[in-house]
Amino acid sequence: ILNVEQSPQSLHVQEGDSTNFTCSFPSSNFYALHWYRWETAKSPEALFVMTLNGDEKKKGRISATLNTKEGYSYLYIKGSQPEDSATYLCAFNSGYSTLTFGKGTMLLVSP
Amino acid sequence: ETGVTQSPTHLIKTRGQQVTLRCSSQSGHNTVSWYQQALGQGPQFIFQYYREEENGRGNFPPRFSGLQFPNYSSELNVNALELDDSALYLCASSLAAGGVSPLHFGNGTRLTVT
Repeated sequence: ILNVEQSPQSLHVQEGDSTNFTCSFPSSNFYALHWYRWETAKSPEALFVMTLNGDEKKKGRISATLNTKEGYSYLYIKGSQPEDSATYLCAFNSGYSTLTFGKGTMLLVSP
Repeated sequence: ETGVTQSPTHLIKTRGQQVTLRCSSQSGHNTVSWYQQALGQGPQFIFQYYREEENGRGNFPPRFSGLQFPNYSSELNVNALELDDSALYLCASSLAAGGVSPLHFGNGTRLTVT
């Protein structure tokens, strides 16, 4: 059974703070790592798909890094805004059709 | 570009009944995956359909079955409903099967089994 762990489970920051979360996954049979943002009452939205060790991806104030050898990925949000409040999910793929999701990190950004 | 739509949004069924959930994929996408999200858990993979064929299945019993149609829309059928089937069911389409295409999710169907 594949284990994808996300930490912290939840996070409450003030507007303007920078924050980061961790996704841990198996370091063997790695194919791809996905990040999704899921706002309340909406559908999950893809942020990044990462495949190469050392990959860094950026989308506005959000960026992600990938270390496949040690089995972790970090998601960073610079200068958090209230609209960044959401649950952030990571998902691991080993080359087949399955994405194994973590339980997510719930971020709340207060004005 | 039409996104992924799921119907119905909410459903209440009784234990032992059968249910069909529907999903229209995003235009241009030939792959549909279904996920179950129970309370406090991350989404769990049920199965994936690629060009009308099942292309992978998670750890779900045979009473969970699916179909994909020529227009790439899809159905998830669950027979003999159990209380533990109460969950949010998410459908996601993608440009291709496999692990590097990002998933485009619908808003989900909330199923309650009493």
